Amino acid sequence: DVKVTQSSRYLVKRTGEKVFLECVQDMDHENMFWYRQDPGLGLRLIYFSYDVKMKEKGDIPEGYSVSREKKERFSLILESASTNQTSMYLCASSAWWGAGEQYVGPGTRLTVT
Amino acid sequence: TQLLEQSPQFLSIQEGENLTVYCNSSSVFSSLQWYRQEPGEGPVLLVTVVTGGEVKKLKRLTFQFGDARKDSSLHITAAQPGDTGLYLCAGANTGNQFYFGTGTSLTVIP
Repeated sequence: DVKVTQSSRYLVKRTGEKVFLECVQDMDHENMFWYRQDPGLGLRLIYFSYDVKMKEKGDIPEGYSVSREKKERFSLILESASTNQTSMYLCASSAWWGAGEQYVGPGTRLTVT
Repeated sequence: TQLLEQSPQFLSIQEGENLTVYCNSSSVFSSLQWYRQEPGEGPVLLVTVVTGGEVKKLKRLTFQFGDARKDSSLHITAAQPGDTGLYLCAGANTGNQFYFGTGTSLTVIP
């Protein structure tokens, strides 16, 4: 059974804090993604990675950075959290080849106060 | 950039009714996925369609990929309250990027 896990389901942080969101996949997938999901805006791509130590900006990378030191782990970093980063964060992974199936994690609901 | 439009955005129906959700784009995709998401949870992959014209069935759910691989539909027969959720389509391009639709929120009333 394929699995994408995220370190926290719920997180509350204060404005200005540095926040780390961790994601692990057990499918040996090359591709990993970070999205945020907001009502009325759908899922928006923040960053993605095709390989270890590689990263590409998505549609809304401002205020975020990522790290991929190991193939199975992709971290999203909020350098200085702000209230407009309150959102549902979703991690996903997919294989480089094949049918293009993308598996999505359970999400982290982040609230910045 | 939002490349996938879903319709309707909201749908409320009685148990036992049939419904169809549409996912449309002007772009060609190498594959298309359908997900169902429940409140507070991540989207769960239901199906992937790859070939133009492909039809896949998952119990009471029927998924079709358009001949030109630009659009897809999800048909639910005899909807049940357990079908309630947010249905998302996502298209994959040859660069392995995924583009999500805006979603269809379905409520099935007992």
